[in-house]
Parts: sequence; structure tokens; C-alpha cells
Amino acid sequence: EAAVTQSPRSKVAVTGGKVTLSCHQTNNHDYMYWYRQDTGHGLRLIHYSYVADSTEKGDIPDGYKASRPSQENFSLILELASLSQTAVYFCASTRDNNERLFFGHGTKLSVL
Amino acid sequence: QQKVQQSPESLIVPEGGMASLNCTFSDRNSQYFWWYRQHSGEGPKALMSIFSNGDKKEGRFTAHLNKASLHVSLHIKDSQPSDSALYFCAVSANSGGSNAKLTFGKGTKLSVKS
Repeated sequence: EAAVTQSPRSKVAVTGGKVTLSCHQTNNHDYMYWYRQDTGHGLRLIHYSYVADSTEKGDIPDGYKASRPSQENFSLILELASLSQTAVYFCASTRDNNERLFFGHGTKLSVL
Repeated sequence: QQKVQQSPESLIVPEGGMASLNCTFSDRNSQYFWWYRQHSGEGPKALMSIFSNGDKKEGRFTAHLNKASLHVSLHIKDSQPSDSALYFCAVSANSGGSNAKLTFGKGTKLSVKS
């Protein structure tokens, strides 16, 4: 099965600090996504990318930046972490947007 | 912006029973509809897709799509304790490139009691 690896699996960050979440896929997929999951909100799309060196804003991009330096890697950057960004973050990849997404195991981020 | 709403928020069914999950979407141009399942502590995994109006059956799972009424549903027959999970409906309106947004609902928590 397609593999999507996220790192770290969990992180504790301080308010105002910089946080980088990493995602690596070995599926040769063009599309990659970052979602956050909060209780009561389901999965909300932050940023996505369909080609290396290009990213697109999702539904809740404020406070987040994304970077896609290669087809395999997609990072999510919180320049100034805030308490409201405490959540579980999922990365996913797919070959085409009408095909199934393959998700990583998630990164649990706690901002204190 | 696409809105995807799921009901009920939570559902309890007896082992061997039928579970019915509902999803409504707002964009009439929506083309691709997926159901995902997430067990506790894991990432979501795709269950099945449906792209045309009508029913699609895969084993114990049947998806139903009615684009005119902006509604898609999932029915789980002979529910098993292992089906206990969070179920998401996901909808995409456009195909490819910068339009490749996939919007998820808030999920339905299914508990199957033995």
C-alpha cells in the first residue's frame, strides 16, 4: 500500500515559536495535502499542492505556510505558533484528485 | 466555498444491524464523492467512492448518490464491532491542478455494540 510518513509523531511547541511539520511519500503521487483535525470540526484543508515548487491555499490557510521542494516532500510551517493551532495534523497524497487519498499517521501538536 | 454536512453526529447500532450515514453537500458541480473511515489513533482510510447517481455496493457497504438532492449516503449491512470508527464523507467539485480541493464533513462516530 502507498506510504506516507509524517514527522514528528508528536510535538510540544511554545507560543510564538516556529514549528515545521514534515511529510514524505514514496508513492510517486503528484497531489499532497495538509489537513488539521479537531474534535467537532472533522478534517479541514490547510494547504495542498499538485506539483513541486507550487502550493495552493486550502480552506483555513491563515497562520500556516507550506513548502513543496520536491514531489516526495511537503512541509507545513507555523511561523508563530499559537494556542489555537493545537490539533492533530494529517498529510495525505494521491495520484489524481478523483482517486483515494493515502493518509499518514498524523502529528499531534500541542502549543503551550 | 463547498459545505459538507454529515448526520447523525453519532450512531449506535447492535452487532449484525444496519448503519445508515448521511451527507449533504452544497456545490451542484460536485463530481467525486468518497467515504473514509478512521479508527482511533490512526489516519483516515478510504472505504469507497461513488461518482454516478444511484447505488454502488462493495461487500457489506452500499453508497447511494443523488446529485439533484445534493445527498450521498453510506449503509453498512451486518455491522461488526470492527466497524466502530469515525466515518467521513469527502466531496470534490473540480478535477485537477489548482482546483483539486477535497472537502470533508465533520464525521459520524459509529459504535457497534455486541
